Amino acid sequence: QKEVEQNSGPLSVPEGAIASLNCTYSDRVSQSFFWYRQYSGKSPELIMSIYSNGDKEDGRFTAQLNKASQYVSLLIRDSQPSDSATYLCAVNSDSNSGYALNFGKGTSLLVTP
Amino acid sequence: EADIYQTPRYLVIGTGKKITLECSQTMGHDKMYWYQQDPGMELHLIHYSYGVNSTEKGDLSSESTVSRIRTEHFPLTLESARPSHTSQYLCASSEYRGRDANEQFFGPGTRLTVL
Repeated sequence: QKEVEQNSGPLSVPEGAIASLNCTYSDRVSQSFFWYRQYSGKSPELIMSIYSNGDKEDGRFTAQLNKASQYVSLLIRDSQPSDSATYLCAVNSDSNSGYALNFGKGTSLLVTP
Repeated sequence: EADIYQTPRYLVIGTGKKITLECSQTMGHDKMYWYQQDPGMELHLIHYSYGVNSTEKGDLSSESTVSRIRTEHFPLTLESARPSHTSQYLCASSEYRGRDANEQFFGPGTRLTVL
């Protein structure tokens, strides 16, 4: 059973729209949740971290966490073509003392002009 | 911006060669990690370290070895490279500053091709 699940996409949204990316995880004791952006051929770049239920906003990005449903999402408002990338959901692992992360395969986002 | 460096960025090498991938960070982070990522696939943890002289294997079986003699340095070594080792290798580091603050930051990666 996959521990972190994401729809691989591609998710296509027009420029200026809201992009909604979703992630589910299987480990109920997970405490830390992260969204990374990865451009093709590059390394992951941290966008958001969230640790408590509810919403966390940072500029155009909003992370949402629902631990009861084991669900975390990322909203990107006013999407720009430069947002086109793969977005990785990462959840801390119960193994390895809880510091290592389990990653989903990522959702490919395409923002069209 | 994270200060974590990896060298070389690209490496093409023949089967059977010994190689060392370098990773250094200047943030004083105590925890460091090596991940392997194939194109279109998720990252898999292959090694991690929670401090000097501490190294552990990750979830993905790997024929590589690591060492952590200095806080800032976490090299990965392949004694005898094989084509199956062809992949992108990503180094990351983190510092635990509390339950709500343990972000990992990644280096630029090393893309390894074994012929």
